[in-house]
Amino acid sequence: EAGVTQFPSHSVIEKGQTVTLRCDPISGHDNLYWYRRVMGKEIKFLLHFVKESKQDESGMPNNRFLAERTGGTYSTLKVQPAELEDSGVYFCASSQAFRGLNTEAFFGQGTRLTVV
Amino acid sequence: GNSVTQMEGPVTLSEEAFLTINCTYTATGYPSLFWYVQYPGEGLQLLLKATKADDKGSNKGFEATYRKETTSFHLEKGSVQVSDSAVYFCALSDLRDDKIIFGKGTRLHILP
Repeated sequence: EAGVTQFPSHSVIEKGQTVTLRCDPISGHDNLYWYRRVMGKEIKFLLHFVKESKQDESGMPNNRFLAERTGGTYSTLKVQPAELEDSGVYFCASSQAFRGLNTEAFFGQGTRLTVV
Repeated sequence: GNSVTQMEGPVTLSEEAFLTINCTYTATGYPSLFWYVQYPGEGLQLLLKATKADDKGSNKGFEATYRKETTSFHLEKGSVQVSDSAVYFCALSDLRDDKIIFGKGTRLHILP
């Protein structure tokens, strides 16, 4: 069974440009999460989809970030326009149960974004 | 709000040394606690977990016990190997929502 996959693995863009990150969750997983780790800091929650609906987007830093999950399958995270402080590793995770006691989230390898 | 604090790294040990990575948490409810590991070039993997007080999670020789009285979930291994070199993240999840709250991560280097 394929795990969570993220594209691209690395992206280097100039300040002011647009970048779109993609996440393909494990098939059948309704929950999809985006997280971000800025260098040397904790991994921070960005948002949570249940199927195609945004369940919680309280972690989105500002309106330059737009996440979508069309049809409840893969998700995209667009940063437009990118700023230097957006650099970091963006992780996607998916899980099957909702509010389950032993829900395990499976993570992708992450996308390393560098804004120069 | 909920938070996780873990010891700063990097931690450098010789092979076969004893490892402890400290983790403490703050939570308003009754969280589940986790240790995740990220090996070089790979994604985050769940290493072990505990869902209630006094539970012990274990995997690959690593152990951590959910201590409610000290709000801690320290990671231990009796004899580390070079292959254990990675970044370790302590985390918690509250049943009231589905967010996982992570610590800053501790980079571990094991020298042969």
